[in-house]
Amino acid sequence: DAGVIQSPRHEVTEMGQEVTLRCKPISGHNSLFWYRQTMMRGLELLIYFNNNVPIDDSGMPEDRFSAKMPNASFSTLKIQPSEPRDSAVYFCASSTDSHSTGELFFGEGSRLTVL
Amino acid sequence: TQLLEQSPQFLSIQEGENLTVYCNSSSVFSSLQWYRQEPGEGPVLLVTVVTGGEVKKLKRLTFQFGDARKDSSLHITAAQPGDTGLYLCAGESITDKLIFGTGTRLQVFP
Repeated sequence: DAGVIQSPRHEVTEMGQEVTLRCKPISGHNSLFWYRQTMMRGLELLIYFNNNVPIDDSGMPEDRFSAKMPNASFSTLKIQPSEPRDSAVYFCASSTDSHSTGELFFGEGSRLTVL
Repeated sequence: TQLLEQSPQFLSIQEGENLTVYCNSSSVFSSLQWYRQEPGEGPVLLVTVVTGGEVKKLKRLTFQFGDARKDSSLHITAAQPGDTGLYLCAGESITDKLIFGTGTRLQVFP
């Protein structure tokens, strides 16, 4: 069975450029989460959706970050404009639990480097 | 803000040794999960503990939830190179969010 699929796996861009990260959750999972992982801050929840509706975006660092989930099988996380401090690994995860505390199934992550 | 501190931060041991990783907080959590993350991969759930004092075993791994549900430990018996990875605890907070710990990076040498 396919797990959570993220793309791209790696992205290197220059400061000021727009970055779009993509995620396909596991079929049948109704919750989707975007996390950011850095050495300094560990794994941080940015936003999560339940049935395609954003439930909690309090972790989104700034207005430069936006996330959408137009349907049950696709989500994007966009950073515009990107800055060097946005460099991190961004994980998408999905869950069958409607709360944000059930078992999470993570993708392999998108490693972003902003120069 | 509920925080989860893990110790040690780094651990390098030889194959066959035993080890314990700790996850501590001053706050109470409704439940606690342990994940393992290998390089280049996302975290994978190992176990969830719910009841204070609960002990769960997964082959050579033993997980315990503190009586007051503020802390947890992971004990690995006879560590193998395949146990190498980043171990993360994650607690269900009072605001119904999953809070991840700071992580313990384990390296097991053959």
